[in-house]
Amino acid sequence: GDSVTQTEGPVTVSESESLIINCTYSATSIAYPNLFWYVRYPGEGLQLLLKVITAGQKGSSRGFEATYNKETTSFHLQKASVQESDSAVYYCALGDPPSGSWQLIFGSGTQLTVMP
Amino acid sequence: EAAVTQSPRNKVTVTGGNVTLSCRQTNSHNYMYWYRQDTGHGLRLIHYSYGAGNLQIGDVPDGYKATRTTQEDFFLLLELASPSQTSLYFCASSERGGAREQYFGPGTRLTVL
Repeated sequence: GDSVTQTEGPVTVSESESLIINCTYSATSIAYPNLFWYVRYPGEGLQLLLKVITAGQKGSSRGFEATYNKETTSFHLQKASVQESDSAVYYCALGDPPSGSWQLIFGSGTQLTVMP
Repeated sequence: EAAVTQSPRNKVTVTGGNVTLSCRQTNSHNYMYWYRQDTGHGLRLIHYSYGAGNLQIGDVPDGYKATRTTQEDFFLLLELASPSQTSLYFCASSERGGAREQYFGPGTRLTVL
């Protein structure tokens, strides 16, 4: 079945350092899935950080970027300089719009702590 | 702005207990979802609904019932709670299905002793 694998946490970095959280997907039944990054801040629900629906395109939000790479089936999340306020859990997810399926497939989440 | 609320935020019960988790969305969305989140797992879909009175089975439905009473309200029922159902539960809504953006509530942490 379809699946998402991402960097196992927890990840700890210092403020102003760069960050990469790896995400790879397996979409055996989906030719061109939609790809998402969600973020969950402490005490809150998940919220969409960015999404990309076209292979080769890059999405960006709040200083984070992710590029949809169909060749390597990857959608890594990067930020050049993290802030303490970026401490949260990050989830990679995929979905299949052409089939009309309701389902989003989520990775297990990566807990990020940014030290001041 | 999209709003999904859940209650209670925390719940402790005993094995065999009866638990109802509530979710309300004020987005006028058709689709609503119940997920559970466990360490080492992604969010796993329990049940979902695309309108009042409708219920669809997700990936991990065993031990759970759900009911969508109105467009706004979606309930998750555990009639004989077991320790394996200790988890963090999220409710979400979306305007349409088909892998569109989902809006999540803050979660309910359930502990079954």
